[in-house]
Amino acid sequence: NAGVTQTPKFQVLKTGQSMTLQCAQDMNHEYMSWYRQDPGMGLRLIHYSVGAGITDQGEVPNGYNVSRSTTEDFPLRLLSAAPSQTSVYFCASSRFGRVADTQYFGPGTRLTVL
Amino acid sequence: DAKTTQPTSMDCAEGRAANLPCNHSTISGNEYVYWYRQIHSQGPQYIIHGLKNNETNEMASLIITEDRKSSTLILPHATLRDTAVYYCIPSGGTSYGKLTFGQGTILTVHP
Repeated sequence: NAGVTQTPKFQVLKTGQSMTLQCAQDMNHEYMSWYRQDPGMGLRLIHYSVGAGITDQGEVPNGYNVSRSTTEDFPLRLLSAAPSQTSVYFCASSRFGRVADTQYFGPGTRLTVL
Repeated sequence: DAKTTQPTSMDCAEGRAANLPCNHSTISGNEYVYWYRQIHSQGPQYIIHGLKNNETNEMASLIITEDRKSSTLILPHATLRDTAVYYCIPSGGTSYGKLTFGQGTILTVHP
């Protein structure tokens, strides 16, 4: 199993540009989520999904859109990038998202918005 | 969600046990205590979790006090590769797998 994969690893955008961060998992996990981590800070939840076709907002959803058309993929879209979205983005997945389920994290995408 | 208090940083000699404390005095009865770690520039990695009883796996041991207001993560024989930020995270109830990461403890293992 590849686990949780994220692309790209690095990205530089100009203010106002749009892009999609890709996340995929091959563990047949129902639950997937996106976090962002700013320098010196802990991770903060952006959006999450408990299964295909179902998404919900986390702690910091503004400026981001998600969709979940398949179990494997959970892309994160930035419609109009802002410098405040400069961060490291982590995708995670778990079997069902239940209390005792272990979450597996991807390697991260480092995004800089100029 | 329960609030947590962890030391900002700790040091440990290689080969010795590392004991990382966490205070979670407001934890609710249905919240588990999770420990994750994040090695520099990598995604967080699951270590261990528990509800009431002490737990042990191949990576670490978790000691939870009887009143569940605090816990200690024990790395029995720390190595240089254990240098990381360690997060104590109560999670459960209605939080549906959502993890709230605080500042964590920066553990530095010295040769």
